[in-house]
Amino acid sequence: NAGVMQNPRHLVRRRGQEARLRCSPMKGHSHVYWYRQLPEEGLKFMVYLQKENIIDESGMPKERFSAEFPKEGPSILRIQQVVRGDSAAYFCASSPSRDSLSYEQYFGPGTRLTVT
Amino acid sequence: GNSVTQMEGPVTLSEEAFLTINCTYTATGYPSLFWYVQYPGEGLQLLLKATKADDKGSNKGFEATYRKETTSFHLEKGSVQVSDSAVYFCALSKGRGSQGNLIFGKGTKLSVKP
Repeated sequence: NAGVMQNPRHLVRRRGQEARLRCSPMKGHSHVYWYRQLPEEGLKFMVYLQKENIIDESGMPKERFSAEFPKEGPSILRIQQVVRGDSAAYFCASSPSRDSLSYEQYFGPGTRLTVT
Repeated sequence: GNSVTQMEGPVTLSEEAFLTINCTYTATGYPSLFWYVQYPGEGLQLLLKATKADDKGSNKGFEATYRKETTSFHLEKGSVQVSDSAVYFCALSKGRGSQGNLIFGKGTKLSVKP
């Protein structure tokens, strides 16, 4: 059973470009979470999605950031018009369905975004 | 609001020393508590967890006990190895579904010298 997969692992963008980060959850997992880790800090929750639904986006910046988890395919975190302050490691985590007894989260290896 | 506070690092120990990393939390209700470990250049791995008061989570020689009276979840290991060098994160979760997002402490970097 493959773990949570994220790609790309490293992404370099110039200011003003768009960044697209992808996350494929573990098989059988229908919940996806995105977190951001700034240098020397812990992870901060951004958004929680289920298939075709955003459940909680209380941690998402109000502008330029969006996320989706379509019926088919990976979850996408999209950052438009990137700025240097967006440079960080972005981690995706997945967990089993709401009905599962286990709701711990399994993390991917992260995408390290560098904005030049 | 909910929060996690863990001791600041870095922590440097010699091999076979005893390790304690303190973690306290603030939360309403009965959160679940976790320790995650992050090795250099990698994502987070779940190290151990506890879902109710007085539960003890354990894995790979690490232990932590959920203490509701002191709102603490301190991580301990009796004899650390060089391979334990990593950043350790304490986290809490209020539960499943929309309350399931994890709240993390800032992390404690551990370096173990041979």
